[in-house]
Amino acid sequence: DMKVTQMPRYLIKRMGENVLLECGQDMSHETMYWYRQDPGLGLQLIYISYDVDSNSEGDIPKGYRVSRKKREHFSLILDSAKTNQTSVYFCASSLGTGGDSDYTFGSGTRLLVI
Amino acid sequence: KTQVEQSPQSLVVRQGENCVLQCNYSVTPDNHLRWFKQDTGKGLVSLTVLVDQKDKTSNGRYSATLDKDAKHSTLHITATLLDDTATYICVVVDRGSALGRLHFGAGTQLIVIP
Repeated sequence: DMKVTQMPRYLIKRMGENVLLECGQDMSHETMYWYRQDPGLGLQLIYISYDVDSNSEGDIPKGYRVSRKKREHFSLILDSAKTNQTSVYFCASSLGTGGDSDYTFGSGTRLLVI
Repeated sequence: KTQVEQSPQSLVVRQGENCVLQCNYSVTPDNHLRWFKQDTGKGLVSLTVLVDQKDKTSNGRYSATLDKDAKHSTLHITATLLDDTATYICVVVDRGSALGRLHFGAGTQLIVIP
């Protein structure tokens, strides 16, 4: 069953705490992504990873970092979370980065920073 | 600046009716255009991908068109079902970007009522 799994599904953190969002995929996809989705806005790219230890900043990387030590696993880390990082975070994967690649999205992690 | 605009923002139809969702974009150079369906609290699921300068696709009750000259796409849903209630997101792939950058619209929220 080809899928992207995100953990946890829901998370509440206090401002200043560290946050770890996990993402796994079972399709051996090279490319993985982290997006955030806010009301009234399209998904915004935080980071993209082309393979193990090959990561690039997206459009809104400030306040975030990522880790990819295995092809099937991609983590998003918030060091000292801020209230404006309250959002829904989506992980996705694709075989390549071309427009004809199939993209598979996880179900999202809903993060509330208080 | 928003590069992908979707209309309407929301739409309510009765089960069995047809509906049309619009997507206008300013992404240049454009590559492929994709439509995704996002059920409440879930990830994005790809419905169709449009590639050619003037393209049409059909996937069951979903059909879509693309006119790259007009930078405009439509998604038609025929004989709507209650399960069609979701947010429909238009995504344009930027072929000028090394990241294979995806530009997301904010989505059209479709509600199908009995």
